Amino acid sequence: QVQLQESGPGLVKPSETLSLTCTVSGGSVSSATYYWSWIRQPPGKGLECIGYVYYSGTTNYNPSLKSRVTISLDTSKNQFSLNLSSVTAADTAVYYCASLNTAAFDPWGQGTLVTVSS
Amino acid sequence: QSALTQPASVSGSPGQSITISCTGTSSDVGGYNFVSWYQQHPGKAPKLMIYEVSNRPSGVSNRFSGSKSGNTASLTISGLQAEDEADYYCSSYTSSSTLVFGGGTKLTVL
Repeated sequence: QVQLQESGPGLVKPSETLSLTCTVSGGSVSSATYYWSWIRQPPGKGLECIGYVYYSGTTNYNPSLKSRVTISLDTSKNQFSLNLSSVTAADTAVYYCASLNTAAFDPWGQGTLVTVSS
Repeated sequence: QSALTQPASVSGSPGQSITISCTGTSSDVGGYNFVSWYQQHPGKAPKLMIYEVSNRPSGVSNRFSGSKSGNTASLTISGLQAEDEADYYCSSYTSSSTLVFGGGTKLTVL
């Protein structure tokens, strides 16, 4: 059974780059079965899909974030990562990683809160 | 891309049935049978409840069912239980190959 775990800094300064990693166990990021995705949820608000990456390296990003987002795979570590540049307070959120199959997110990581503040 | 439209809140008494709607466009909900529903309890990660409009993952109660008509998808919960009180989100694949969520619906079990 696939399990995912997010890791990374909980505090990022404005204008800097937010970087998170998702470690996958019980499955392989090199598998063609899943896409690997990032979703975020600002405090008290709804969910937003940031984007996803396929085992081939093909990516797809939310148009509203596309200019600032990079999602990539590290097959040697069985991980995938999120980089979000030029962050502002509006990027403060719980960030989740999840596997994506037939356009459904399952399972999800437990989530990690990232606060953007000086 | 615009978020899908869900009611902000719904409520029902134990044992009753409730339905949550999720309205999009022909570029998302209406154009694909890739609508999914998620349950989120406070402080927890969302949990997949329905995928591909009406399919339940293994382990999800058959009290949860999904359907779609035109640009609107629906989640029905029958035999409401206290443990069903949570936030519910719909999601759909879009013509841009992205995925979009609804704004979420808070279910209160009275």
